Amino acid sequence: GAVVSQHPSWVICKSGTSVKIECRSLDFQATTMFWYRQFPKQSLMLMATSNEGSKATYEQGVEKDKFLINHASLTLSTLTVTSAHPEDSSFYICSARDPGGMYEQYFGPGTRLTVT
Amino acid sequence: GQNIDQPTEMTATEGAIVQINCTYQTSGFNGLFWYQQHAGEAPTFLSYNVLDGLEEKGRFSSFLSRSKGYSYLLLKELQMKDSASYLCAVRDSDYKLSFGAGTTVTVRA
Repeated sequence: GAVVSQHPSWVICKSGTSVKIECRSLDFQATTMFWYRQFPKQSLMLMATSNEGSKATYEQGVEKDKFLINHASLTLSTLTVTSAHPEDSSFYICSARDPGGMYEQYFGPGTRLTVT
Repeated sequence: GQNIDQPTEMTATEGAIVQINCTYQTSGFNGLFWYQQHAGEAPTFLSYNVLDGLEEKGRFSSFLSRSKGYSYLLLKELQMKDSASYLCAVRDSDYKLSFGAGTTVTVRA
């Protein structure tokens, strides 16, 4: 149980375009999902907290107009990187909170974004 | 906010024991997690401590002292597949995780 999927697993896009990443909880309902970013050889940095049916809460220094988060249902949150630039190239990982689960937060497999 | 420190790298021999220390300064402590992460993959859960003491799960054990802001992850009977990055993460009262920079463990034959 407690499986989280992400799609796509990797994506290459051109500078200036937008990319949407999906995060789904497959066997539980997640009222809260988290989005992280990880640059090479660095740790995970929390970008934002996504709550179903309400606006996301962004961490300091993360541009909410650039990283659009939509949590339209209890099993799906999306992150859209708008007007992507090469410096947005990173590993994006989502996690979903399952209050009924033993350890609460379960990670997706990640999405590798490369902006050329 | 959270300030989490752990060593950058550690090397050990196959079959040996390695201890990875983690110290933290936090507001609103609500549990400490250890994750294993292989390159290019998402973290996988290893252990969770919310009360002081030792939690043992097979070859992996984790210890927590809340008064000292200190935890360690103990890996016993090291195997080559244990070569990975190990992340210490502190959860706050809003269930947000803050991660340390990670410790890269290299297991040598």
